[in-house]
Amino acid sequence: SQQGEEDPQALSIQEGENATMNCSYKTSINNLQWYRQNSGRGLVHLILIRSNEREKHSGRLRVTLDTSKKSSSLLITASRAADTASYFCATDATSGTYKYIFGTGTRLKVLA
Amino acid sequence: DTAVSQTPKYLVTQMGNDKSIKCEQNLGHDTMYWYKQDSKKFLKIMFSYNNKELIINETVPNRFSPKSPDKAHLNLHINSLELGDSAVYFCASSQDAGGMGSPLHFGNGTRLTVT
Repeated sequence: SQQGEEDPQALSIQEGENATMNCSYKTSINNLQWYRQNSGRGLVHLILIRSNEREKHSGRLRVTLDTSKKSSSLLITASRAADTASYFCATDATSGTYKYIFGTGTRLKVLA
Repeated sequence: DTAVSQTPKYLVTQMGNDKSIKCEQNLGHDTMYWYKQDSKKFLKIMFSYNNKELIINETVPNRFSPKSPDKAHLNLHINSLELGDSAVYFCASSQDAGGMGSPLHFGNGTRLTVT
């Protein structure tokens, strides 16, 4: 069954604003990753957060993880038009099944 | 140099035909995957190979048969294509299998349209 669900499904903001998207999952995980997908392209890895970490930063990206709530959030600060894409979270369960399960994705549109 | 390359980029075919999609990675990774992305952008794992050995077969119809001749290649053959097979198929690779946190590297997808 699907592991992750994200909300909102779609988000439209003005350039310069911050964008926050959330991911919820169902089972215990080893780590959680966020990916970006531009239209017509494959997914690109953005950032990884391990189950024993609570927050991680990379450039304009900030990821949080709350394992008690089985949720994560991705914050993109000072958004740019080039950030327009779909964003997916991916988790791998602790059952060791060697697979990453992706969420439903958030479609972000940044208006110039 | 494209890290994960898959061919063809577009594939249009009729129901009942057999087709193949090829994937190659030049990253030296041990694990390769096939994912299917439907029209709602939902991405679902189909298969995973680690060092040429099948480790995940995610309840995919047996019309789909992956083949890994070596750890740099993972091909997908589909028999008797059906309308519901229309989707974008992504190949991906990672240094390690799941649990180690290795990021996935994706190809740009093959858009399959079955008419």
